[in-house]
Amino acid sequence: EAGVAQSPRYKIIEKRQSVAFWCNPISGHATLYWYQQILGQGPKLLIQFQNNGVVDDSQLPKDRFSAERLKGVDSTLKIQPAKLEDSAVYLCASRLSGTVNTEAFFGQGTRLTVV
Amino acid sequence: KQEVTQIPAALSVPEGENLVLNCSFTDSAIYNLQWFRQDPGKGLTSLLLIQSSQREQTSGRLNASLDKSSGRSTLYIAASQPGDSATYLCAATQKNNNNDMRFGAGTRLTVKP
Repeated sequence: EAGVAQSPRYKIIEKRQSVAFWCNPISGHATLYWYQQILGQGPKLLIQFQNNGVVDDSQLPKDRFSAERLKGVDSTLKIQPAKLEDSAVYLCASRLSGTVNTEAFFGQGTRLTVV
Repeated sequence: KQEVTQIPAALSVPEGENLVLNCSFTDSAIYNLQWFRQDPGKGLTSLLLIQSSQREQTSGRLNASLDKSSGRSTLYIAASQPGDSATYLCAATQKNNNNDMRFGAGTRLTVKP
């Protein structure tokens, strides 16, 4: 079974530039999460999708961050414009739909450096 | 709002020692608690999932327990090895409309040869 795929693995951009991250969850997993992990901290939930609908985006800085999952499969997270404090690892995870008592699986993450 | 805490933040032990990592949570209305391992520069690898109705789960040298009433979970690692060195994270899945998953900050474990 293929795991959660994320790209790119690394990205360096200047502040005020825009960047996009892509995630392809495990096949059949309807729940998809995007997390931000700042160095030395635990992951913080940015947005959660159930199929192509947003379940929770309460911690997403909506003035600069956006995410979509148009066909209920892969997802894109965008930052525009980026700030220095956005430097972090962005993790995507997925979980099987219909039950919350299944494991969540994570991708390798995208390490973003804003200079 | 759920707060997940992991103590200690860092732990260093000699090889072969048995050890316990702690995770506490403030809201006991959870579906499950999941333990992850994170190696430097990598994503999270799932270790164990304990459902709210369960008391413990075992996988090889790992044993995770859950006491929902006291808001605590522990991860026991037997006969630690240098390859166990990593950051260990726990996450609670909330029993709410969103079923969101909240993480602790992790415990960074170093096992010395």
